[in-house]
Amino acid sequence: AQSVTQLGSHVSVSEGALVLLRCNYSSSVPPYLFWYVQYPNQGLQLLLKYTSAATLVKGINGFEAEFKKSETSFHLTKPSAHMSDAAEYFCAVSDPRAAGNKLTFGGGTRVLVKP
Amino acid sequence: NAGVMQNPRHLVRRRGQEARLRCSPMKGHSHVYWYRQLPEEGLKFMVYLQKENIIDESGMPKERFSAEFPKEGPSILRIQQVVRGDSAAYFCASSPGYIQETQYFGPGTRLLVL
Repeated sequence: AQSVTQLGSHVSVSEGALVLLRCNYSSSVPPYLFWYVQYPNQGLQLLLKYTSAATLVKGINGFEAEFKKSETSFHLTKPSAHMSDAAEYFCAVSDPRAAGNKLTFGGGTRVLVKP
Repeated sequence: NAGVMQNPRHLVRRRGQEARLRCSPMKGHSHVYWYRQLPEEGLKFMVYLQKENIIDESGMPKERFSAEFPKEGPSILRIQQVVRGDSAAYFCASSPGYIQETQYFGPGTRLLVL
């Protein structure tokens, strides 16, 4: 079975400051890993994904994440927060060997950006 | 290219009624996933379907819930005899169906059971 833990259900950052969202996973096989963003009352939008290629993955809106197998982590970062980054962020994992690509999500981290 | 469509966006039902949630995948996508998001929680996988087939329903509650994806038309998630605990946001995602596929999510249906 796979699982995802996101440390910190709420994160507050100042505009222009570093955004760091933590994600640790548990998987018996090399996983695929994803970060999604959800704006209020909307669906999820893919920020980036790791599928066993480069361990440093660059996504949309200036976000990037690094896969660290030894730490079973896939933390999301952005060097400089913008007001528009205020949203909820979900880390997810899937098993590449399984039929389909069902996602197991973490509990989410809500980001507040202060002016 | 239109994204994943879900309707209705909001649905209010009284306890004991039936809820039908519809999902039209992106054009060219033949794989559909349903997820449920309870208040203040992350999304939980419910079911994975391809056209006319249920591939994985390991996340579906054993009773009252069913899903289909017919050859023609949208995918339907059906909840019979709704209870207050069914109040949640239900998201549909679709993918093209090849390796390393990305799932594209719809805007969700927010179900409120009174």
